[in-house]
Amino acid sequence: GENVEQHPSTLSVQEGDSAVIKCTYSDSASNYFPWYKQELGKGPQLIIDIRSNVGEKKDQRIAVTLNKTAKHFSLHITETQPEDSAVYFCAASLSSNTGKLIFGQGTTLQVKP
Amino acid sequence: EAGVTQSPTHLIKTRGQQATLRCSPISGHTSVYWYQQALGLGLQFLLWYDEGEERNRGNFPPRFSGRQFPNYSSELNVNALELEDSALYLCASSSYIGAAYNEQFFGPGTRLTVL
Repeated sequence: GENVEQHPSTLSVQEGDSAVIKCTYSDSASNYFPWYKQELGKGPQLIIDIRSNVGEKKDQRIAVTLNKTAKHFSLHITETQPEDSAVYFCAASLSSNTGKLIFGQGTTLQVKP
Repeated sequence: EAGVTQSPTHLIKTRGQQATLRCSPISGHTSVYWYQQALGLGLQFLLWYDEGEERNRGNFPPRFSGRQFPNYSSELNVNALELEDSALYLCASSSYIGAAYNEQFFGPGTRLTVL
């Protein structure tokens, strides 16, 4: 069935270091992979996404890579700042016709000043 | 531009009652999605509405239902509330361009507590 595994569940880094969160999906028909950041008491905020016809995408300090063969994708945050501290969720969507995002279990990122 | 709005922010009900949650999408978005975020269970897909019709449904019992209005706003109804329905209910919206639906943008959620 459809499943997204996310690791690690918690991640603590020093300010300025890089953080990497990894996700693996089960359904090879998945073609859209967004990443969300959720701060305490708020809804998830879309921070970056990638589609299956692209291997890598970058937006300032955030980058996402996709390996379709291995069915995994990763979020890379460089030069981390305390305001990056939040819960990060990866997700996968089968296609545009399901409307359904399958979410990973989340990674709590703590950036220590 | 205003984002997705949800009301109420918090809702407290007792077991067996009914709850109604409301969502207004981003202007120009025709699709509304509902997700449940229960403690320890991550975000689970509930329902997808587009152009007033239910397009897809997650693995939830029939007592979870909803509808989408002509102005594209939506409401989620939960009947016969159970303790395990306590969760943050998130609404998201997206636009439809060509043959693809686009990114889903989430609202702040409604915190439902069932006593």
